[in-house]
Amino acid sequence: AQSVTQLGSHVSVSEGALVLLRCNYSSSVPPYLFWYVQYPNQGLQLLLKYTTGATLVKGINGFEAEFKKSETSFHLTKPSAHMSDAAEYFCAVSGVQGAQKLVFGQGTRLTINP
Amino acid sequence: NAGVMQNPRHLVRRRGQEARLRCSPMKGHSHVYWYRQLPEEGLKFMVYLQKENIIDESGMPKERFSAEFPKEGPSILRIQQVVRGDSAAYFCASSPGLEYGNEQFFGPGTRLTVL
Repeated sequence: AQSVTQLGSHVSVSEGALVLLRCNYSSSVPPYLFWYVQYPNQGLQLLLKYTTGATLVKGINGFEAEFKKSETSFHLTKPSAHMSDAAEYFCAVSGVQGAQKLVFGQGTRLTINP
Repeated sequence: NAGVMQNPRHLVRRRGQEARLRCSPMKGHSHVYWYRQLPEEGLKFMVYLQKENIIDESGMPKERFSAEFPKEGPSILRIQQVVRGDSAAYFCASSPGLEYGNEQFFGPGTRLTVL
């Protein structure tokens, strides 16, 4: 069975500082990996995804993530935080064939301090 | 291309009533997924459907919950005899299929409150 662990349910950074949100996954085979963002009372918006190929994936709003198979990690980073980045972030994993459901981590709430 | 549409956005029911949640996938998408988000928790998979077929219902509670995706019309998630523990946000997602990297597009959700 697949699972996702997001380290830190709450992360707080200053505006302009580096954002690092951690995600580790468990999967018996190389999975597809996703980061979604959720603003209050809204649905989820895809930030980026890894399927195959280049392990450094660039997404929207200046975010990027690196797939590290040896560490089973897919951490999300952004060099300089903006106030508008304050939201809930979810890491998710899915299989690449057969079952296609997304398995989500518990989420990380990002707060940006002025 | 309109996104995934869900209605109603907010639904209030008393214990014992029925709740019907509707989801219209993006145009051209034939795969629909339902997820539930309890307060302060991540999303949990409930059911995956394709037109007229339930593919995976491993996350659905055994009783009171059912889902359908008819040939015509939206997908429906039905909760019978609701209880307070059913209060949550229910999200629908759609995708064109696994060949597109299983990217799922989410609707705005239906927030169910059971009094």
